[in-house]
Amino acid sequence: AQTVTQSQPEMSVQEAETVTLSCTYDTSESDYYLFWYKQPPSRQMILVIRQEAYKQQNATENRFSVNFQKAAKSFSLKISDSQLGDAAMYFCAYRAALRGATNKLIFGTGTLLAVQP
Amino acid sequence: KAGVTQTPRYLIKTRGQQVTLSCSPISGHRSVSWYQQTPGQGLQFLFEYFSETQRNKGNFPGRFSGRQFSNSRSEMNVSTLELGDSALYLCASSLEGQGENIQYFGAGTRLSVL
Repeated sequence: AQTVTQSQPEMSVQEAETVTLSCTYDTSESDYYLFWYKQPPSRQMILVIRQEAYKQQNATENRFSVNFQKAAKSFSLKISDSQLGDAAMYFCAYRAALRGATNKLIFGTGTLLAVQP
Repeated sequence: KAGVTQTPRYLIKTRGQQVTLSCSPISGHRSVSWYQQTPGQGLQFLFEYFSETQRNKGNFPGRFSGRQFSNSRSEMNVSTLELGDSALYLCASSLEGQGENIQYFGAGTRLSVL
């Protein structure tokens, strides 16, 4: 069974600084997708960034980037130039790439990010 | 385009009662998934529907059920509520055929069982 592990329950960063959130996963599949979702106090889960396992290039979305290490089964999120609005719970998630089979996401336990002014 | 809409936003029920939660997906999305979020268990997959058929089911008792209508709207039902069913229930929809089939989430329904 696939599992996702986030070992940092809480993190803190100063505004304008850079922070990295860690995520490791376990799977026997060779093709899959990885996601980072953000959940602010409003509870709305918002997709931050996604990575396709067969793509070696790390995904980037503005101030957000990932370090995807497939062999190590590691998928960390780097937030550059942190802003107060980045404060939220961040979830790492895994989805198998079986077309037409399921969209089921497997989530980690989350990392609560605080941004200090 | 409107996002995923979940109703109601808050519910208070007592043990033994049953409850129905509703989810309207983004227009054109035919896949709807449900998740339960609790402080102790985190985010857990309940079930997924595609074209009115349950495509996948998580490890929850039979008290949890769902269905999807021809317009892709989905409902989930919990019968004989227990205190442990208190949670945030999240619905997500996705457009099939996009490859990564990105799931877009609603704001959730907060269920409190007293």
